[in-house]
Amino acid sequence: DAKTTQPPSMDCAEGRAANLPCNHSTISGNEYVYWYRQIHSQGPQYIIHGLKNNETNEMASLIITEDRKSSTLILPHATLRDTAVYYCISSGTYKYIFGTGTRLKVLA
Amino acid sequence: EAGVTQFPSHSVIEKGQTVTLRCDPISGHDNLYWYRRVMGKEIKFLLHFVKESKQDESGMPNNRFLAERTGGTYSTLKVQPAELEDSGVYFCASSRAGGPRLKNNEQFFGPGTRLTVL
Repeated sequence: DAKTTQPPSMDCAEGRAANLPCNHSTISGNEYVYWYRQIHSQGPQYIIHGLKNNETNEMASLIITEDRKSSTLILPHATLRDTAVYYCISSGTYKYIFGTGTRLKVLA
Repeated sequence: EAGVTQFPSHSVIEKGQTVTLRCDPISGHDNLYWYRRVMGKEIKFLLHFVKESKQDESGMPNNRFLAERTGGTYSTLKVQPAELEDSGVYFCASSRAGGPRLKNNEQFFGPGTRLTVL
């Protein structure tokens, strides 16, 4: 599966949009991009996923570049409860390969 | 809809003992997965069931680990005998039937079992 790279940490002011980038330059055509987050020591929580079109749900938006080599997760109005480690995973199989993720800190 | 549940939430055992972790997937989910995070490392895939059959156990660290899913419902992961390096958090996840490339086949994770081997 393709390897993804993410910045190790980011800060975001409460109420502002949080934009979390992910690079997946070796992604293949049948691999989806998944985003999860882990709050403290809980299990990873599913956020959103997509193949090539932009996606939006009640939690976030996912913007995938046309060449599919990178994507951005957008939390439109970050709250303190969005402080977590965010994982970007590209997978075309059942196996998820987790990286180190981005530690997002939402500041009051 | 109830989520993935895991039992126990914490387990503390001594080296050489046996521990069995249990996972109950979301009802109707044929796919069940085990992952773990050991100290300071990333979350790693262990194995994947489709119903009661093991599809991929490439991530199982050694033969001290045995996973079962009798009847295709809940799953157990047994560690026997436990070693110090087995300490970590063990996560279970489940997803619906169908291939991984289907749009709605995302995995839903349980809260994990924190295993401490002394």
